[in-house]
Amino acid sequence: GENVEQHPSTLSVQEGDSAVIKCTYSDSASNYFPWYKQELGKRPQLIIDIRSNVGEKKDQRIAVTLNKTAKHFSLHITETQPEDSAVYFCAAINSMEYGNKLVFGAGTILRVKS
Amino acid sequence: EAQVTQNPRYLITVTGKKLTVTCSQNMNHEYMSWYRQDPGLGLRQIYYSMNVEVTDKGDVPEGYKVSRKEKRNFPLILESPSPNQTSLYFCASSLSLSGAYEQYFGPGTRLTVT
Repeated sequence: GENVEQHPSTLSVQEGDSAVIKCTYSDSASNYFPWYKQELGKRPQLIIDIRSNVGEKKDQRIAVTLNKTAKHFSLHITETQPEDSAVYFCAAINSMEYGNKLVFGAGTILRVKS
Repeated sequence: EAQVTQNPRYLITVTGKKLTVTCSQNMNHEYMSWYRQDPGLGLRQIYYSMNVEVTDKGDVPEGYKVSRKEKRNFPLILESPSPNQTSLYFCASSLSLSGAYEQYFGPGTRLTVT
């Protein structure tokens, strides 16, 4: 089955700097890669996702890149702000195979220092 | 308002006392799932359901039961809770996993088993 590893486990950046979180996956057939953000005491919420037919996707200050050959994908946050402080989870799934499930990484605690 | 609800939000119980955590969604989603969240381990899937009367084990199903008698409800049952089931639990729903759509999470249930 799929296995997703996420690094780093914690990340501290200065406000205004960029933050990068990287995930690797094991199943080369995986084709959907979402990122969820979980603020303290809140539920995880989808912030961006990418499908395997796309190499990069941007939404304002956040972007995700996918390298299918190396089986890794990354979340990039530019011009970080204190409200970006949260736990970020990556995930992967082969949605074409019935019964497959979304597998999450262990999470990255991002702290943005002002 | 489209949402996933869970009850109770907080529960302290004793070993062996059966409990049920309810989950309900009003989005007519086919797919529902239960996760537990533990520090450093991310979100691990307990059980999932692709549709009414169709349920299957996730990564950590031991000690849990589920049922899906109606499309909107997906209760999590702990027949004989033990301290290692102390955790933060999230219910989630999605339009479908086959198309890899966004998962909507409930607010979470913090369970303590003494």
